[in-house]
Amino acid sequence: GIQVEQSPPDLILQEGANSTLRCNFSDSVNNLQWFHQNPWGQLINLFYIPSGTKQNGRLSATTVATERYSLLYISSSQTTDSGVYFCAVVGSGNTGKLIFGQGTTLQVKP
Amino acid sequence: ETGVTQSPTHLIKTRGQQVTLRCSSQSGHNTVSWYQQALGQGPQFIFQYYREEENGRGNFPPRFSGLQFPNYSSELNVNALELDDSALYLCASSSIVDTQYFGPGTRLTVL
Repeated sequence: GIQVEQSPPDLILQEGANSTLRCNFSDSVNNLQWFHQNPWGQLINLFYIPSGTKQNGRLSATTVATERYSLLYISSSQTTDSGVYFCAVVGSGNTGKLIFGQGTTLQVKP
Repeated sequence: ETGVTQSPTHLIKTRGQQVTLRCSSQSGHNTVSWYQQALGQGPQFIFQYYREEENGRGNFPPRFSGLQFPNYSSELNVNALELDDSALYLCASSSIVDTQYFGPGTRLTVL
């Protein structure tokens, strides 16, 4: 089945710094989503981005489907950005089975 | 806020017992998917229901079963609980090929 790898596994930043999280996937996808999981376990949708580029405030994402990777950019990080960021994909020919990466744990220090 | 609700929030059971978890999907969505998230791991797909029929299943044994009702709410049932079933159980609702929206989860502890 499709494999999803995220890097780096852990990231520590000072408040105000920028960061880039990467998601590599092993096969073509119908769906790619980025999530932020808060300390209570809630998965918060950041982007639905099977291809192209999107921006939402300080966050933006780019997926290059032909090269099988996606990037999540966080600018001017805040302490509230701390948590685990997951990339998840649905492989071509599959409906709805999200395959998650292992996540990137981000800690933003004041 | 996604509009997806789950109950209960927390649950403690003992090995061998049975448990039922519930999920109410977002208005307008006809698909519910269930995931298990062990501590420190990414969520793992259990199964998906589309218009009351199972529409795909992950690598989970038959003691994990589910239902979807005409109003598109759903239940996850787990029989003969094992210690390794301790996890956060997440449901997600969607239209069949669209963005999945997750509920807050049910944290199950098996003693």
